Amino acid sequence: EAGVVQSPRYKIIEKKQPVAFWCNPISGHNTLYWYRQNLGQGPELLIRYENEEAVDDSQLPKDRFSAERLKGVDSTLKIQPAELGDSAVYLCASSSVPGLAGGQQETQYFGPGTRLLVL
Amino acid sequence: DQQVKQNSPSLSVQEGRISILNCDYTNSMFDYFLWYKKYPAEGPTFLISISSIKDKNEDGRFTVFLNKSAKHLSLHIVPSQPGDSAVYFCAASRSYKYIFGTGTRLKVLA
Repeated sequence: EAGVVQSPRYKIIEKKQPVAFWCNPISGHNTLYWYRQNLGQGPELLIRYENEEAVDDSQLPKDRFSAERLKGVDSTLKIQPAELGDSAVYLCASSSVPGLAGGQQETQYFGPGTRLLVL
Repeated sequence: DQQVKQNSPSLSVQEGRISILNCDYTNSMFDYFLWYKKYPAEGPTFLISISSIKDKNEDGRFTVFLNKSAKHLSLHIVPSQPGDSAVYFCAASRSYKYIFGTGTRLKVLA
């Protein structure tokens, strides 16, 4: 079974430039997550999708970040314009359990991440 | 406010001995807890999980213990192997919202 695919793996841009990250989840997984991981920290949720619906985007900085998952499969995360503080690893994860009430277990599978450096 | 804390940034253990990684949380509403392992330049890999209705879950060399009264989670690896050297993240969840700790770097010495 193919894992979560992310591209690019590395990206270096100058501040104020736009950047986009792409994620293809595991086949059949309807839940998709975007996380940001800063150096020395754990992953922090940016947005969660159930199929094509963004069910939790409360931590997405909406002034510069946007995401889409148009057909409920692959997803794109965009930053425009990028700032120095956006340098981090951007992780995509997917799972197969629907967004039911808490208590039902699921396993998230992470992609390798995109390491972004903003100069 | 850090809801999930891993207070030990690093841990070194001799091969064959037990590794114990600890995690504390503050929100009693969390109902699912997980451990992930991360190698450099890779994404986190799921290791083991436990529901809040249990106090222990075992999978091979890995055992997770949950002490709800103390809001404390631990991962035991027995016996430790050099290939276990990685960064370990604990995570706590409520309604599919996951909060991760800052990680503990485990080094297993041969």
